[in-house]
Amino acid sequence: GAVVSQHPSRVICKSGTSVKIECRSLDFQATTMFWYRQFPKKSLMLMATSNEGSKATYEQGVEKDKFLINHASLTLSTLTVTSAHPEDSSFYICSAGGWDRGYYGYTFGSGTRLTVV
Amino acid sequence: AQSVAQPEDQVNVAEGNPLTVKCTYSVSGNPYLFWYVQYPNRGLQFLLKYITGDNLVKGSYGFEAEFNKSQTSFHLKKPSALVSDSALYFCAVRDSWGKLQFGAGTQVVVTP
Repeated sequence: GAVVSQHPSRVICKSGTSVKIECRSLDFQATTMFWYRQFPKKSLMLMATSNEGSKATYEQGVEKDKFLINHASLTLSTLTVTSAHPEDSSFYICSAGGWDRGYYGYTFGSGTRLTVV
Repeated sequence: AQSVAQPEDQVNVAEGNPLTVKCTYSVSGNPYLFWYVQYPNRGLQFLLKYITGDNLVKGSYGFEAEFNKSQTSFHLKKPSALVSDSALYFCAVRDSWGKLQFGAGTQVVVTP
C-alpha cells in the first residue's frame, strides 16, 4: 500500500534556529500534502494544505512566514519551522492525499517530535 | 460544514470483551468517513473507510464499523479486544475541500 516516509522522527533544536521536516511519498504520487500539528493527547490541527507546484494554503491563525511549506514535486514536501521557539515544540505529522487503486485516500507519515530548547 | 464528534475521551475494556468506539457525523451530502488509530509518538494508521455501499465496513486488525444514516453514526467495533489495541482512535470526515476533519479522539485502554 501507499507509504509516506517522514524524517526526522525526532529533533531537538535551540531557540532561534530553523528545522526542516521532510515527507516523501514512496510509491504513489501525492497530489496534495497536508501538514498537521498535534498537542499531547489532543486531536490533529491542520496547519496547511499544499498542492504540487503551487503555494500552500494556510489555515486561519497559522503563520505562513514561520511555517514554510514547499511541495516541489509529487513525491516530496517539506515543512520548515523558522526561528523556532519553545512554544513551537509539538508533534508534526504530514499526510499525503492521492489516488490509490481508484479511491482518494490519505496516508500519514510517522510524525516528527520537535523540541525547542 | 462537515464535522465528526467522538463523545468519549476514553473507553476502558477488558481483554476479550467487545470494543466499541463511538462517532457521530454532521455532513451535507454523502459522507466520506474514516477511522484511524495512533500509537504513542507515531503517525496515524488507516483502519477503514466508508464511501458508499454496504453499511458494515470491515477494516484492518479485525476492526469494523457500521454506517448508520438515520442515527448519523459510524461507530468502530471489534468483537474481542486485545491489549495491543490500546491506542488513540480518531474518526474523520472528508470535507468539500478534500481536507479531513478529525474528531477529538478516544483513548482506548484494554486491560489484561
